[in-house]
This record gives sequence, C-alpha cells and structure tokens, in this order.
Amino acid sequence: SSELTQDPAVSVALGQTVRITCQGDSLRINYASWYQQKPRQAPVFVIYGKNNRPSGVPDRFSGSSSGNTASLTITGTQAEDEADYYCSSRDSTGNHLLFGGGTKLTVL
Amino acid sequence: QEHLVESGGGLVQPGGSLRLSCAASEFTFSDYYMSWIRQAPGKGLEWVSYMSPTGSVINYADSVRGRFTISRDSAKNSLYLQMDSLRAEDTAVYYCARGFEGSRGWYGWFALDYWGQGTLVTVSS
Repeated sequence: SSELTQDPAVSVALGQTVRITCQGDSLRINYASWYQQKPRQAPVFVIYGKNNRPSGVPDRFSGSSSGNTASLTITGTQAEDEADYYCSSRDSTGNHLLFGGGTKLTVL
Repeated sequence: QEHLVESGGGLVQPGGSLRLSCAASEFTFSDYYMSWIRQAPGKGLEWVSYMSPTGSVINYADSVRGRFTISRDSAKNSLYLQMDSLRAEDTAVYYCARGFEGSRGWYGWFALDYWGQGTLVTVSS
C-alpha cells in the first residue's frame, strides 16, 4: 500500500492527553515524521525517528510506533496545540514520500 | 536560523509553464536533501519531488512525473521547480523544505525540518 491513513478530526479537553494515529504498510519499515500546521502558516516539524523532538518543540509532544501504526501523543494539551497534524514517511520502495491526510485537533 | 524563501508563483493558464525558486540561507545547502511539497486550497499536504544533496537521487510523485523538473544550484544556494503542462489540479501553495534521512536498526526515516512560507500557484483560464 502507498497510503498513510489518519483520522480526520480529534478533540481533547484542555490539559488532557491525546493520541493522533497514522496507519500504513510503509510504517512497518519506516518511522513516521510529524508536522503541525496552524491556519495560514507553513508546517512545523515536531517529531522524527523513533521519538525525537527537534529543538524548541515542547516535551509534551512524543512519538511511538507499533506494527503499521505510528502515533503522536500530546500530554497536557495546551490551547496553542490546536492545529492540523500530518504524518509522513517514505513509501515501501523508499522512492516516494507519503503524507497522511491530516488530523484536525480541536482543544476544548 | 535556517531560512527558505520561495518565489515565482502566480496565475497561469492551463497548459502553461511556471518556474518556482527557493532561496536557502544560514545552512550548508549542499549537505541536504531538498524537496517540494504542495497544498491545494483547503486540502492536505502532498509531496511533489525531492533531490538528494549531490543530485544523484531525484524522485517525483506520480501526479507530476514527466511534467515537473526539480533542480538545484549549490553556487546560488537555490532549489528550483520547472512546471510544464500545468493543469487546474496543480493549483496549490508550493512549499520548499529541507530534508534529512536516518536509520536505526531495521527502520529508516526521512524528515523535513525547515519549510519556507510557500508560494501560490493558480492554474486557471
């Protein structure tokens, strides 16, 4: 398969924990990278590799992977975390880059 | 701070051509993969193409292969996307981004760590 599947929308109460998932066959041999995009802004890189955060990304963001599913977890979600989140990985051939359809996170 | 600035977007008729540029600064351009990603209005991200640091590896999405050409000029710290035979469905904001890859055990990864602000391409008559 050459697709990454994400839930279109997820909501979370302020201060609670939320998990955003990404499924695809390519994730059996590739770690996902995760991007946050706020309205009218360019995407921002938040997680890569097994569970690596770029400098400047709060430690409430973490990543994990199991089988064909990658997850982005936000612990103690803040209002400013409301955004669209995209997963990405190379496809199984290693030649193409895939993006999931994105998950719109609403913070209640 | 690493910086990417796209330019060259605009309105073009179906079947027309456009060349996008991406100027890079504050990092060693020749050390990194560079990629183009686009986002149609109200839609998600779609990878378009990437090129390895030396230019030895170039890949395209099926939707643009044969119509788009990626290139880079390390002397000018610039990435380009030549877009020919444009279609209405190519209408999107086009982002350039810096990429890197890694591996750990069986697993590999490819990530895009710095993005430009994007340039809008509109294909319409």
